[in-house]
Amino acid sequence: QSALTQPASVSGSPGQSITISCTGTSSDVGAYNYVSWYQQHPGKAPKVMIYDVSGRPSGLSNRFSGSKSGNTAFLTISGLQAEDEADYYCCSYTTSRTVVFGGGTKLTVL
Amino acid sequence: QVQLVQSGAEVRKPGASVKVSCKASGYTFTNHEIFWVRQAPGQGLEFMAWIHPDSGNTGYAQKFEGRVIMTRDTSISTAYMELISLSSEDTAVYYCARNALGLHYWGQGTLVTVSS
Repeated sequence: QSALTQPASVSGSPGQSITISCTGTSSDVGAYNYVSWYQQHPGKAPKVMIYDVSGRPSGLSNRFSGSKSGNTAFLTISGLQAEDEADYYCCSYTTSRTVVFGGGTKLTVL
Repeated sequence: QVQLVQSGAEVRKPGASVKVSCKASGYTFTNHEIFWVRQAPGQGLEFMAWIHPDSGNTGYAQKFEGRVIMTRDTSISTAYMELISLSSEDTAVYYCARNALGLHYWGQGTLVTVSS
């Protein structure tokens, strides 16, 4: 199972919006609506930001949203804030009854 | 509150094995799958395997099949991940995570260092 494809890095200024893509195949992203997104700050455990393509955990800011089109999923962060600077990983359930992660995207808030 | 508490850091020599534990509390252990994910230094997240504590059913990433052993002890709400035939490439932080609405709760991570 190959890793999902994410851009290595994205950047934006405070207040702006950014979108991170996550491209897979018809055996993972395209097969189910089971894509999740994780934020990870250095030295910390990952934190779920989006589940089931567009679900948002209770208490999480609505600045974070998810969507999917075909074999590609997207994470959009609006109103960028300094604390959003982190690594972001997408994750998809697969037809092999496992999951696969993306390679990760480093978000820099300028 | 839901907590996953992992065992402490380990150092092993190449060829040895390591067993990491993940003790759950704050919820019914048998209701949710436990996933194991690792992260090598400076690298991304890598799925290894999952286990359903109730049925004992497991799933493995192809890369780890035959080298990872997943077990659980429901009497003490603890899941275990044993990795055998270690090499330096297995040096990583190993995380357990509960699967419900995504991997919502994570352990604190266990650093496994493989060095001769």
